[in-house]
Amino acid sequence: AQSVSQHNHHVILSEAASLELGCNYSYGGTVNLFWYVQYPGQHLQLLLKYFSGDPLVKGIKGFEAEFIKSKFSFNLRKPSVQWSDTAEYFCAAGYTSGTYKYIFGTGTRLKVLA
Amino acid sequence: EAEVAQSPRYKITEKSQAVAFWCDPISGHATLYWYRQILGQGPELLVQFQDESVVDDSQLPKDRFSAERLKGVDSTLKIQPAELGDSAMYLCASRQVRHLDEQFFGPGTRLTVL
Repeated sequence: AQSVSQHNHHVILSEAASLELGCNYSYGGTVNLFWYVQYPGQHLQLLLKYFSGDPLVKGIKGFEAEFIKSKFSFNLRKPSVQWSDTAEYFCAAGYTSGTYKYIFGTGTRLKVLA
Repeated sequence: EAEVAQSPRYKITEKSQAVAFWCDPISGHATLYWYRQILGQGPELLVQFQDESVVDDSQLPKDRFSAERLKGVDSTLKIQPAELGDSAMYLCASRQVRHLDEQFFGPGTRLTVL
């Protein structure tokens, strides 16, 4: 069955530390990959997405993610986090199986200490 | 900037009562998704519409949940009767059908069943 796994459920970092959040997907066909962020009290919004082409994609607010097909991974990175990055991050895979569907990971709650 | 609207934002009800949630997608978005997000987990698809037609309701508990999108625009999700385990955030998202683009989320309705 199709699935998305996020390895870290809770991450605590100090400001200026580097961030890497893991995401692995399980699907044998073509997938599109997304990272969504949910700031406290706000709705889910897109950070970045990968459809094809350059496997290193850049998103908003200095985030980037690298698609490694051989590892079925799409890890999210940021070289220097800020207190305002405190949020919950969700990895998602989009694929077509009859209709276009999304599967989400369980999320990673990031807390950045000032 | 166009947004997905949802109401109410919060709903408290007693078990065995009926509840209904409303979603108005971004204008022109033919695809509409209803998700349930339990605390600490990622969104899980309940039902997907293409215009006014249900294209995926395989995860919808049809004994108590129903959804409709009569004119292919706004949508209603109903639970009758509500159970304690239905307490969750109910998210609506919409997407254009012409492009494999991301889905846009509404703010959600947080349901508490007492």
